[in-house]
Amino acid sequence: EPEVTQTPSHQVTQMGQEVILRCVPISNHLYFYWYRQILGQKVEFLVSFYNNEISEKSEIFDDQFSVERPDGSNFTLKIRSTKLEDSAMYFCASSEWTSGYTFGSGTRLTVV
Amino acid sequence: QKEVEQDPGPLSVPEGAIVSLNCTYSNSAFQYFMWYRQYSRKGPELLMYTYSSGNKEDGRFTAQVDKSSKYISLFIRDSQPSDSATYLCAMSGFGGSQGNLIFGKGTKLSVKP
Repeated sequence: EPEVTQTPSHQVTQMGQEVILRCVPISNHLYFYWYRQILGQKVEFLVSFYNNEISEKSEIFDDQFSVERPDGSNFTLKIRSTKLEDSAMYFCASSEWTSGYTFGSGTRLTVV
Repeated sequence: QKEVEQDPGPLSVPEGAIVSLNCTYSNSAFQYFMWYRQYSRKGPELLMYTYSSGNKEDGRFTAQVDKSSKYISLFIRDSQPSDSATYLCAMSGFGGSQGNLIFGKGTKLSVKP
C-alpha cells in the first residue's frame, strides 16, 4: 500500500530557530497538504500545494511558514522562527483528483 | 457556531457491539465527507469517503450522510478491540484535492474484549 513518508518523526528545537519538516508524498499524487494537530485539539489545515504553487492557505500559515517542492519527490514545510505555540504534530498529506487524502504518520515538533 | 461538531466521548463498548459515531455541521457548502481513524501519535487513516447524501458500506463500516439535516454517521458492526482508536469526521466543500478539510475534534472509542 503506497504511503506518505515524513521525517523526522520527532524534532526538538529552541524557540527562534528554523525548522524544516520533510515529506515524501505518494508518487502519482498531484496535490499536497500540511496539517497540524496541537495536543488535544482538532487537526487543522495549514496549506495546500498544486502545480508548484500554493493553492490555498489558512490564517495559521503566516509569513513564518513556507512550503517547497525542491525536487520531484520531496515536499517541505519550513518554519522560520519557531515559537512555543508551534509545538504540535505536523501531518503531510497527498491526494489524487477525487480521492480522500492519505496522511503521513506525522512529525512531532517540540519547541523549548 | 462551530463548523463541525463531534462528541469527543470517550465511548466504551463491549466487543461485538454496533458502534454509532456522529458529526453535525453548519456549512451547507460541504459536499465531501470523510471518516478517519487515528491511533495515538499516528496520522489519520482514511476509512470512508462519500460525496453528497446517501450511504456507503465497506465491510463492517457504513457511512451515512444526511445533507438536509447536516448530519453524518459512521456505523461499525461487530466491533473489535482493534477498532479502539479516535475517529475523526472531516469534510470539505470541494473535491478532496481542491478544498481544505475541516475536521471534527474526534471521538475516542474503546472496544473491550
